[in-house]
Amino acid sequence: AQSVAQPEDQVNVAEGNPLTVKCTYSVSGNPYLFWYVQYPNRGLQFLLKYITGDNLVKGSYGFEAEFNKSQTSFHLKKPSALVSDSALYFCAGSNAGNMLTFGGGTRLMVKP
Amino acid sequence: EAGVAQSPRYKIIEKRQSVAFWCNPISGHATLYWYQQILGQGPKLLIQFQNNGVVDDSQLPKDRFSAERLKGVDSTLKIQPAKLEDSAVYLCASTKLFGQHTEAFFGQGTRLTVV
Repeated sequence: AQSVAQPEDQVNVAEGNPLTVKCTYSVSGNPYLFWYVQYPNRGLQFLLKYITGDNLVKGSYGFEAEFNKSQTSFHLKKPSALVSDSALYFCAGSNAGNMLTFGGGTRLMVKP
Repeated sequence: EAGVAQSPRYKIIEKRQSVAFWCNPISGHATLYWYQQILGQGPKLLIQFQNNGVVDDSQLPKDRFSAERLKGVDSTLKIQPAKLEDSAVYLCASTKLFGQHTEAFFGQGTRLTVV
């Protein structure tokens, strides 16, 4: 069975500092990996995805993620955090034949 | 482009009562999903439709949950009878194409509280 893990319930970072939100996956075959963000009282919004090709994927709002096959990871990164980035972040994965599986979520807190 | 519409936004019911949620996906999106998001957890897929046909309902508790998408557009998810553990946010999502490589667009969700 496939699974996605987000080992940190919360990540705290100061505004202007780089941020990393971790994600590891267990998906057979070639994985499709996604990051979504959830703001309070709003639905999930798509940030970026990895399907194939370059391991570094760039997405919305200055976010990027690096696919690492050997470490089965897909960490979300941003060079300089903003207070407005504070939200709940979800990593998700699947392969061509299976449904999308979400991680448990990581709350990002960016402090001024 | 209008987003995925869901109603109601909030619902409070007593256990053993019935409840229904409605979703209207983005126009032209053939694939529709219902997810259950329990507080503190990631969304869990309940059912996936391709047009008006069910693609995957393996995680739908069929003894109490049902869903339909009769005309291949909007969809209804029903719980009958509700249990306390059904308290969650129910998210509807749609994708333009069929396939797990396609990003989904989510509605704001319906927050259900069963008391």
